Amino acid sequence: DSGVTQTPKHLITATGQRVTLRCSPRSGDLSVYWYQQSLDQGLQFLIQYYNGEERAKGNILERFSAQQFPDLHSELNLSSLELGDSALYFCASSVDSSGANVLTFGAGSRLTVL
Amino acid sequence: ILNVEQSPQSLHVQEGDSTNFTCSFPSSNFYALHWYRWETAKSPEALFVMTLNGDEKKKGRISATLNTKEGYSYLYIKGSQPEDSATYLCASDSSYKLIFGSGTRLLVRP
Repeated sequence: DSGVTQTPKHLITATGQRVTLRCSPRSGDLSVYWYQQSLDQGLQFLIQYYNGEERAKGNILERFSAQQFPDLHSELNLSSLELGDSALYFCASSVDSSGANVLTFGAGSRLTVL
Repeated sequence: ILNVEQSPQSLHVQEGDSTNFTCSFPSSNFYALHWYRWETAKSPEALFVMTLNGDEKKKGRISATLNTKEGYSYLYIKGSQPEDSATYLCASDSSYKLIFGSGTRLLVRP
């Protein structure tokens, strides 16, 4: 157990639907990162939060949004889902947002859009 | 978004061979370079983080070097073992964005 908790582990839904993925960072970590891994693709950076504030944004679609709450857990909301959104979504946490500290990854949430 | 390139894409070696991989990254606005090990059906696990030009890090049989001026890092594995089989990812941090390369998939044959 890495200390980063992601729920749900698996999710199957239909096109056009909306889902929420949840991440609880490791105790003491203030920064949360979200990554998407599609089939045969590497880890694509979506967004980073630090202590409740958005710090950096990657190639995140407008249909996707995220936030980090006061208790530091984070949620990634995916709406108007398309088949191509099927992927493994990783959350990772770090002590701060500097980039000089390692990321600790959760087990991932596997989303299947039918 | 900056591009982080890794080579080779995959590598098959025999047990006992030493091997190395390359990670290339844009040297402008560089802040840190990460290496992770990712086993199948698991999550990536951190190996090293390096920030300074000329940094060298070592963990057991695995070591890494960093050249920030020319934008590359090498990961070395000495005396590869079957348990070293995994995908090795590097990631470059610039402006709070930690961008990963596609990884080098290593298979070590007994």
